[in-house]
Amino acid sequence: DTGVSQNPRHKITKRGQNVTFRCDPISEHNRLYWYRQTLGQGPEFLTYFQNEAQLEKSRLLSDRFSAERPKGSFSTLEIQRTEQGDSAMYLCASSFLPDNEQFFGPGTRLTVL
Amino acid sequence: DQQVKQNSPSLSVQEGRISILNCDYTNSMFDYFLWYKKYPAEGPTFLISISSIKDKNEDGRFTVFLNKSAKHLSLHIVPSQPGDSAVYFCAASAQYTGNQFYFGTGTSLTVIP
Repeated sequence: DTGVSQNPRHKITKRGQNVTFRCDPISEHNRLYWYRQTLGQGPEFLTYFQNEAQLEKSRLLSDRFSAERPKGSFSTLEIQRTEQGDSAMYLCASSFLPDNEQFFGPGTRLTVL
Repeated sequence: DQQVKQNSPSLSVQEGRISILNCDYTNSMFDYFLWYKKYPAEGPTFLISISSIKDKNEDGRFTVFLNKSAKHLSLHIVPSQPGDSAVYFCAASAQYTGNQFYFGTGTSLTVIP
């Protein structure tokens, strides 16, 4: 297993379009996290799954954002009607209970024009 | 509401000397603390962690110190090497939040050869 992977690595879109990102966690990890990172800031928590159940969502996650992890393996994060303020690096991380360490993917950099 | 703070955005250190990166937190419920290192265009990479039941954890050149009464932790790197040049994030979590990580804003370390 080569670690957490994310696709695409870069996405440029026009305002108002929908985008979807994919995260493939480390295979035996049962927890999956999404974070967003903007310039000069640390990663900010968006949501997390334990297996296929979405257990928590940040208030940062507006109604335009939705995340799924249908079979408890890979996850998708969709942003509808993108806005320029959505431009950021979207990071995915996974961990194995009961361990606390989260392993991060390389991120998807979104630019909304 | 920044619960984890890194007040030094940057630090420069001579190769071979000690690097000390600092982090403060406000939430007394945090019980697990980590340091991540991030290179450009990559996701954060786990470096070292410490549980709130300890006040020191050492791994090779890296040592993390936790002062619970001051709500402060620090990362010592000794001796510093040019390859240590990266952005360092501290993160904190609490079991009751499902191990959601709260990150600081990062400190950019430059080790000068």
